[in-house]
Amino acid sequence: AQRVTQPEKLLSVFKGAPVELKCNYSYSGSPELFWYVQYSRQRLQLLLRHISRESIKGFTADLNKGETSFHLKKPFAQEEDSAMYYCALTSGYSTLTFGKGTMLLVSP
Amino acid sequence: KAGVTQTPRYLIKTRGQQVTLSCSPISGHRSVSWYQQTPGQGLQFLFEYFSETQRNKGNFPGRFSGRQFSNSRSEMNVSTLELGDSALYLCASRPGTRGPGNTIYFGEGSWLTVV
Repeated sequence: AQRVTQPEKLLSVFKGAPVELKCNYSYSGSPELFWYVQYSRQRLQLLLRHISRESIKGFTADLNKGETSFHLKKPFAQEEDSAMYYCALTSGYSTLTFGKGTMLLVSP
Repeated sequence: KAGVTQTPRYLIKTRGQQVTLSCSPISGHRSVSWYQQTPGQGLQFLFEYFSETQRNKGNFPGRFSGRQFSNSRSEMNVSTLELGDSALYLCASRPGTRGPGNTIYFGEGSWLTVV
């Protein structure tokens, strides 16, 4: 069975500080990993996916198959980054399995 | 193009009643999934439909059901509502094909409160 673990429910940092939101997964095949973000009173939206290897809003995430991790990082947090972040996994046609989410709070 | 649209956005039902939620996917998307979001359990997969056929089903009781129409629109139904069914129900659509373009897009959700 596939599983996604986000160990932190809440991550609180100051503006300008580095951010790392942790995500570990368990899956026996070759998964696709995603980060979704939900800003206050907005819909859940895709932030980035590992196969794109891109940086969105300054965030990056590298898939580490050895450690089965897909941590989300940003070198300098901004107040507008405050949101709920979900790591998710799928394989081909299968559905998305989400972690429980991490609330990121960026204080001025 | 228009995003995933869900109706109604908010509703209040009484225990024992039943409810039907509707979802219109992005034009051209053939796959529709439903998720339940609660503070305690997070996002849990309910079911996925592709071309009117249920392709996957989550671990929910039989009171939760769904269907998809030929135009890809989908409905989910919850019968004999319980207090614990109070949640945000999210619909998501994707093209349904393999490959990097198979991104999932979410609607704003339907807030269900059972009293």
